Amino acid sequence: EAQVTQNPRYLITVTGKKLTVTCSQNMNHEYMSWYRQDPGLGLRQIYYSMNVEVTDKGDVPEGYKVSRKEKRNFPLILESPSPNQTSLYFCASSPIPSGRANEQYFGPGTRLTVT
Amino acid sequence: GIQVEQSPPDLILQEGANSTLRCNFSDSVNNLQWFHQNPWGQLINLFYIPSGTKQNGRLSATTVATERYSLLYISSSQTTDSGVYFCAAVIYNFNKFYFGSGTKLNVKP
Repeated sequence: EAQVTQNPRYLITVTGKKLTVTCSQNMNHEYMSWYRQDPGLGLRQIYYSMNVEVTDKGDVPEGYKVSRKEKRNFPLILESPSPNQTSLYFCASSPIPSGRANEQYFGPGTRLTVT
Repeated sequence: GIQVEQSPPDLILQEGANSTLRCNFSDSVNNLQWFHQNPWGQLINLFYIPSGTKQNGRLSATTVATERYSLLYISSSQTTDSGVYFCAAVIYNFNKFYFGSGTKLNVKP
C-alpha cells in the first residue's frame, strides 16, 4: 500500500530533550516536506527536500533540523525542544515531474507536547 | 510569500444541502490542492487542480488560474463531510507550499 508513515504518533517530552520524528514514504517520491499545524494558523511548512541531500527552509524553520540521506526517509529533528513547538506535525511527499512539486500525500500526523 | 485566503471560515449545513468553498491566492501558481481534514486529524487528498475542473462523486473543484481562485463544490452533503477543508498552493517556479487557514464545515443530520 502506497503510504507515508510517521513515528511516533504521539509524544510528550520536556524542554531541551532532543527528539527525532521519523518520516518514510514508499512511493519513490523525490519531494518530501514537514509541516506544523496550530489552531487558527493552518499548516505551515517547516522544511522541504527536492531530493537526497537537497533541503530548503520553509516558512517556519527556526528550532528544527532535517536530513535527507535516503530518498524514502526525511526525519525531523528538534535539538532543544521548547513549549512553543507543541503542535501537530505532518510529513508529506510528492513526485516532481518536470521539476515541480506535484500532488502531495500526507502522513497521519505526530502530536507533540513539550512541557 | 503567497497569500492564500479561504472563505467562509465556518459553515453549518443541513444534511442534503449544497455548498461552495472558495480559495483565493495572491500570485500565479503551478500547484493547487484541496484537502479534507477529518475529525481524527487525518488529511485526505481531494483534488490536485492547478487549472480547470474535476469531479469526484459529490465533490467537484474548479480553478481559474488567471483570476487566482479555486472553488470546491460539495453537493448533497452528508455528516461524514464534516471537518476542515484546506486549499494549498505553490507559487509558479518555486516549490514551497502555502496553506489557507481552512473552512470548518459542520453537517447536521
